[in-house]
Amino acid sequence: KAGVTQTPRYLIKTRGQQVTLSCSPISGHRSVSWYQQTPGQGLQFLFEYFSETQRNKGNFPGRFSGRQFSNSRSEMNVSTLELGDSALYLCASSLAAPTDTEAFFGQGTRLTVV
Amino acid sequence: GDSVTQMEGPVTLSEEAFLTINCTYTATGYPSLFWYVQYPGEGLQLLLKATKADDKGSNKGFEATYRKETTSFHLEKGSVQVSDSAVYFCALSDQGSYIPTFGRGTSLIVHP
Repeated sequence: KAGVTQTPRYLIKTRGQQVTLSCSPISGHRSVSWYQQTPGQGLQFLFEYFSETQRNKGNFPGRFSGRQFSNSRSEMNVSTLELGDSALYLCASSLAAPTDTEAFFGQGTRLTVV
Repeated sequence: GDSVTQMEGPVTLSEEAFLTINCTYTATGYPSLFWYVQYPGEGLQLLLKATKADDKGSNKGFEATYRKETTSFHLEKGSVQVSDSAVYFCALSDQGSYIPTFGRGTSLIVHP
């Protein structure tokens, strides 16, 4: 079966712009989580959606937002980009809660802010 | 709160050497423990898991035993290969939490 698909794979944006990243989970998976990965901070949890509702949120500013659609596809948006937002953004999907069942990760979107 | 501490890398080994990557955790409840692996340019993949004390998770020659008394979940492999070069993440999920807690990751480099 198809894995988790994240688009685009690479992005270059300018400070102050906004960006939208997309994640298509594995068919049948209803939970989608987003993570930010940087060399300095490691893997940090952004938020998790389940059946179109944000169920959990990490400790990130309000510039980071997300949503989930009825087909479980999810998007995350970052507004007013800062240089420090440069990172690999990973999406993971699972059947229910990420901690109850195995989480499957996409390859990530590499965002570079210049 | 919950936390996971991994040994800092990179860990550099020759092919066929024995591997240990240390992982200790702090949790309020009785967590499940995981090891994930991230190959270059890829996302994370679940390598193995253990859900209760004394459980041993194993996969692809890797093993880790859930040690509640020492709050540890060390990853081991008897003979590493060049293809094992990757970043390894220890993680836990506490009871009732939907958010796994990840360690910082340990880079493994295996030379031929």
